[in-house]
Amino acid sequence: GAVVSQHPSWVICKSGTSVKIECRSLDFQATTMFWYRQFPKQSLMLMATSNEGSKATYEQGVEKDKFLINHASLTLSTLTVTSAHPEDSSFYICSCYLQGQETQYFGPGTRLLVL
Amino acid sequence: DAKTTQPPSMDCAEGRAANLPCNHSTISGNEYVYWYRQIHSQGPQYIIHGLKNNETNEMASLIITEDRKSSTLILPHATLRDTAVYYCIVNPSSNTGKLIFGQGTTLQVKP
Repeated sequence: GAVVSQHPSWVICKSGTSVKIECRSLDFQATTMFWYRQFPKQSLMLMATSNEGSKATYEQGVEKDKFLINHASLTLSTLTVTSAHPEDSSFYICSCYLQGQETQYFGPGTRLLVL
Repeated sequence: DAKTTQPPSMDCAEGRAANLPCNHSTISGNEYVYWYRQIHSQGPQYIIHGLKNNETNEMASLIITEDRKSSTLILPHATLRDTAVYYCIVNPSSNTGKLIFGQGTTLQVKP
């Protein structure tokens, strides 16, 4: 149980385009999902907290207009990187919070390369 | 949020127990200790968590000191597939589960 998927697993795009990443909880409902970013040889950095049916809460320094988050259902959250630039190239990871277990379960990550 | 201190790296022989320490001297009474690991190029994997009692599951054991200022994750019989970065994180259970990752410990299991 507690499986989280992400799609796509990797994506290459041109600078200036937008990319959407999906995060799904497959066997449980998650009122709260989180989005992280990880650069090579660094730890995970929390970008935002996504609550179903409400606006996401962004961490300091993360541009909400650039990283659009939608959490339309209890099993799906999406992260859209708008007007992507090469410096947005990174490993994006989502997690879903399972209440009752008070535990986050992570997706496999999406590797984004912006050319 | 309480912060944690972990050694940057450790080695362990295959088949032996791996004991990964974590200091969290500023932990609050309602904060849990969580352990996750990240194998290269994958998302983090939940291992175990606890409040003050020792915990054991199919993956590992968590030993928390009586004053709760430190803990040890024990992998009883390490295998090569346990090579990963291990993160110790403290987190209050009353919130939505927000986790702040430090640098973790890179565990290298050697044959």
